[in-house]
Amino acid sequence: GNSVTQMEGPVTLSEEAFLTINCTYTATGYPSLFWYVQYPGEGLQLLLKATKADDKGSNKGFEATYRKETTSFHLEKGSVQVSDSAVYFCALVVLNSGYSTLTFGKGTMLLVSP
Amino acid sequence: EAGVTQFPSHSVIEKGQTVTLRCDPISGHDNLYWYRRVMGKEIKFLLHFVKESKQDESGMPNNRFLAERTGGTYSTLKVQPAELEDSGVYFCASSRNSVSEAFFGQGTRLTVV
Repeated sequence: GNSVTQMEGPVTLSEEAFLTINCTYTATGYPSLFWYVQYPGEGLQLLLKATKADDKGSNKGFEATYRKETTSFHLEKGSVQVSDSAVYFCALVVLNSGYSTLTFGKGTMLLVSP
Repeated sequence: EAGVTQFPSHSVIEKGQTVTLRCDPISGHDNLYWYRRVMGKEIKFLLHFVKESKQDESGMPNNRFLAERTGGTYSTLKVQPAELEDSGVYFCASSRNSVSEAFFGQGTRLTVV
């Protein structure tokens, strides 16, 4: 089956610190990989995605590279801001099976202090 | 263009009561999904509609949960009778087709006491 494992939180950082949130996966078939973010009081938003090995997804200063050899999709940002405080979810979908296969990790809360 | 809208945003009910959650997808999106996040756990798939038809309901936990999408527009998810373990955040998402990006609503936080 499909599964996603991401690091437990909360992750607490000071503004301008470097962020890494680890994510590894197992999948039946060739997955597309995603990071979703949920800001306080808001819905889930797609942050970035990658659809094949070695692709790098990027958005709002966040990056993640699809590593097939290590089955990983770690999220990084060079300098976090207070406004990045949110819950981050790593996810995968096997696209030819549709979004009913969308599989999430447990989520990692990020808290950034000034 | 309006996004996916869910009502209510929060609901607190007593064990044994009935609650109905509603989801309005993005206009023109035939595919509608329900997911649930129980506290501290993964967001789990519940079911998938294509228009008014249930395409996949393999994630529905038991027969206390009933989802409908009459007319293929908005969807409701009824929990009857609610149990304590039903507490969590219920997310709805919609997409134009089954392989295009799914857009999520803000979720309904359900607390059963």
